Amino acid sequence: SQTIHQWPATLVQPVGSPLSLECTVEGTSNPNLYWYRQAAGRGLQLLFYSVGIGQISSEVPQNLSASRPQDRQFILSSKKLLLSDSGFYLCAAHGVFGPGTRLTVL
Amino acid sequence: LAKTTQPISMDSYEGQEVNITCSHNNIATNDYITWYQQFPSQGPRFIIQGYKTKVTNEVASLFIPADRKSSTLSLPRVSLSDTAVYYCLVGDSPRQASGGSYIPTFGRGTSLIVHP
Repeated sequence: SQTIHQWPATLVQPVGSPLSLECTVEGTSNPNLYWYRQAAGRGLQLLFYSVGIGQISSEVPQNLSASRPQDRQFILSSKKLLLSDSGFYLCAAHGVFGPGTRLTVL
Repeated sequence: LAKTTQPISMDSYEGQEVNITCSHNNIATNDYITWYQQFPSQGPRFIIQGYKTKVTNEVASLFIPADRKSSTLSLPRVSLSDTAVYYCLVGDSPRQASGGSYIPTFGRGTSLIVHP
């Protein structure tokens, strides 16, 4: 069975600072990978998905970007964080979700 | 992509059976129905998936009528630990092998609160 790792688990960053969240997947190969964001008390919003290395599709215009440098690695980035970027970020593959990263932008 | 409609919230008491219904009027012929459970500050967890009639596992049952325009997640004898948000999804199986263009899309879900 597959396992999804995310780090860091929690992060507090000032407005305007860069961001890098990492997701790695074990136990499967060539998965479709997804980044979701969940604001407090809200549902899951799909941000990006990838069907293969270097292939990224964006669902929502924003100041975030994603990259997939390896088959089982998915990275979420930003050059300058906004207050509205605060939330719970989840990586998923094959219907399985990682533990998430809680991001607070101050 | 089929849209789903669920109640925003439900309340129940320990030991009761809880049924959460999801409407998906535009479900396609090949779509599966999948339910997830999410606790605060955790990622959603797969509960059950079905295509038609009834599916049962150790956690829940899923009832799907013949027209498949709705489905009902049944949780037998809930406990306090069943307090969570429950999401209904329709589409390809999120657990499918790689490839394909299916994107699991989550609505607001149903917030279930189980009271002592």
